Amino acid sequence: AQKITQTQPGMFVQEKEAVTLDCTYDTSDQSYGLFWYKQPSSGEMIFLIYQGSYDEQNATEGRYSLNFQKARKSANLVISASQLGDSAMYFCAMRGPPYNQGGKLIFGQGTELSVKP
Amino acid sequence: EPEVTQTPSHQVTQMGQEVILRCVPISNHLYFYWYRQILGQKVEFLVSFYNNEISEKSEIFDDQFSVERPDGSNFTLKIRSTKLEDSAMYFCASSAGRRSNQPQHFGDGTRLSIL
Repeated sequence: AQKITQTQPGMFVQEKEAVTLDCTYDTSDQSYGLFWYKQPSSGEMIFLIYQGSYDEQNATEGRYSLNFQKARKSANLVISASQLGDSAMYFCAMRGPPYNQGGKLIFGQGTELSVKP
Repeated sequence: EPEVTQTPSHQVTQMGQEVILRCVPISNHLYFYWYRQILGQKVEFLVSFYNNEISEKSEIFDDQFSVERPDGSNFTLKIRSTKLEDSAMYFCASSAGRRSNQPQHFGDGTRLSIL
């Protein structure tokens, strides 16, 4: 069975500094996708970045990058130059086979990031 | 940018009543999902839907729950007889495909409060 683990319930970072949010996963599948979502206090879920299991390069999307270490089964999110608006809950999620069942997302417990001015 | 829309944003219902949560997925998407997030907890999968039928459902999605796509645009989640433990944020999501590299786009959620 697939599983996502986020071991940091809460993190603090100074504005303009970089921060890494940890995510480890467990799956026996060879093909899978890893996603990060941001959930501000208002509650919506915002898609940030995606990494495929066969991608050789780490994904980047603006200030977000994904440190993908396949052998360690980790997919850490790096946010560079933190801004006050980055304060939110961040969820790591996995999507994989069986595709005939629609490809549900499995979520981790989340990490609450607080950016200090 | 196209987005998933959910109504209402907040629903307050008496225990035992039926509730219908509504979603309009992104127009060219084919796969639809409902997720639930109890306050302070992680997001949990409820059901996936494709080609007018359920693809997969979790153990949470019991006989009290049903989903429907009544027309070409709406996707609804019905809870027949609500319980206190159904209080949660309910998210609708849609995806262009079901492959691992295709993200699911979420609506802003409906906060359901059962009294």
